[in-house]
Parts: sequence; structure tokens; C-alpha cells
Amino acid sequence: EAGVAQSPRYKIIEKRQSVAFWCNPISGHATLYWYQQILGQGPKLLIQFQNNGVVDDSQLPKDRFSAERLKGVDSTLKIQPAKLEDSAVYLCASSLGPGPYEQYFGPGTRLTVT
Amino acid sequence: AQSVTQLDSQVPVFEEAPVELRCNYSSSVSVYLFWYVQYPNQGLQLLLKYLSGSTLVESINGFEAEFNKSQTSFHLRKPSVHISDTAEYFCAVSEYNNNDMRFGAGTRLTVKP
Repeated sequence: EAGVAQSPRYKIIEKRQSVAFWCNPISGHATLYWYQQILGQGPKLLIQFQNNGVVDDSQLPKDRFSAERLKGVDSTLKIQPAKLEDSAVYLCASSLGPGPYEQYFGPGTRLTVT
Repeated sequence: AQSVTQLDSQVPVFEEAPVELRCNYSSSVSVYLFWYVQYPNQGLQLLLKYLSGSTLVESINGFEAEFNKSQTSFHLRKPSVHISDTAEYFCAVSEYNNNDMRFGAGTRLTVKP
């Protein structure tokens, strides 16, 4: 079974530039999550999709972050414009459903904003 | 909203010694509890979880965790650790009535020979 795929693995940009991350979940997984993990902290949920609908985006900084999940499969997370404090690892995870189901994580994208 | 506190940021132990990684949570409703592990240069993966029923849950590699509702804790234990257990361990909580998973800050377990 193929795991959760993410690209790129690393990205370095200057502040005020834009960046996009891509995630391909495990086939058949209805729920997709984007997390932000700042160095020394645990993952923080940014947005959760159930199929192609948003279930929870309460912690997403909507003035600069956006995400979509077209056709309920792949997802992209965009930051525009980036700030220094956005430097973090962005993790994508998927699961069969919300709540008690195991989340499967991708390798993450390490973003450095200079 | 729920929250998770992992009381130790780093735990160094010698091989074959016992270890306990502490986790406390805060929530006003019933919860699901998880331990995830991140081995060096790998992604996060589920170690074990408590959903309901028996309060003691076990993993395939010898870890166990006990849900204590009165103390709102879900500590992770192993009676004898191996070098290969060196990793970062994250406690997480999800409330029954919402989909929001909250993670603790993580505990870095380092097993020394």
C-alpha cells in the first residue's frame, strides 16, 4: 500500500513570496489533514477535509493560507505572502475517517522563509 | 477545546532500563487518546491508541499506556527499552464530538548503550 505522498520535500523562499505544497493521500481515505509543525512543538492542525469539503479550518490563518482538495483526492496548501514565522514542517495526513481512525502521515515539507 | 501536556521534553535512559513518558490532557467531554512516534528521518506513525473498553492498551513492540480518567492521564511505559526505541513520542487527544486532533509538544526519548 502506497503511503501519503508530499512534495516538495524542502523549500526555501524569501518573505512575502508565495509557496504551494502538494499532498496525495492514501487511496480510499476520505479524511485529509494539513498540520504545521514548528521546531520544538507538536503538530498543529491547520485544516481538515472530509472528501472535498472543509470540516475544520479554525486554526488556519486565512489572510495568508489557503487549501483545497479537488475531487476529494489530492490537496494543495498555499501560503501567500509568506512570513518568517511560517518556517516549519508542513505535514499532510489521511485517514479512513475522522475521530478514532488512525492518521497516516506523509514525510512533510520543510519550509524555510528568509 | 482539548489540550495536551507532555511533562518531559527529553528523557535519556540506558538500554534495558524502564521508561515512562508522561501525558496529561484537558477536556470537558469524552476523548480518544493516541501515542504517535517519529523515528529519526521518518514520518509520524501511530504507536497505540485508546478508544474505549480496557484502559490498558499495548503496542506490538512492548510499549503500553494506561488511560486514567480521574487523573486525565495517558502515560506511556516500557519495562525495558532498546536502542531502536530512540525517537520522538507525541501524545494526542481527539474529542468524541469534534474532529480536532490536538498534539502535545513531544518527548524526545534517547536510549544510550
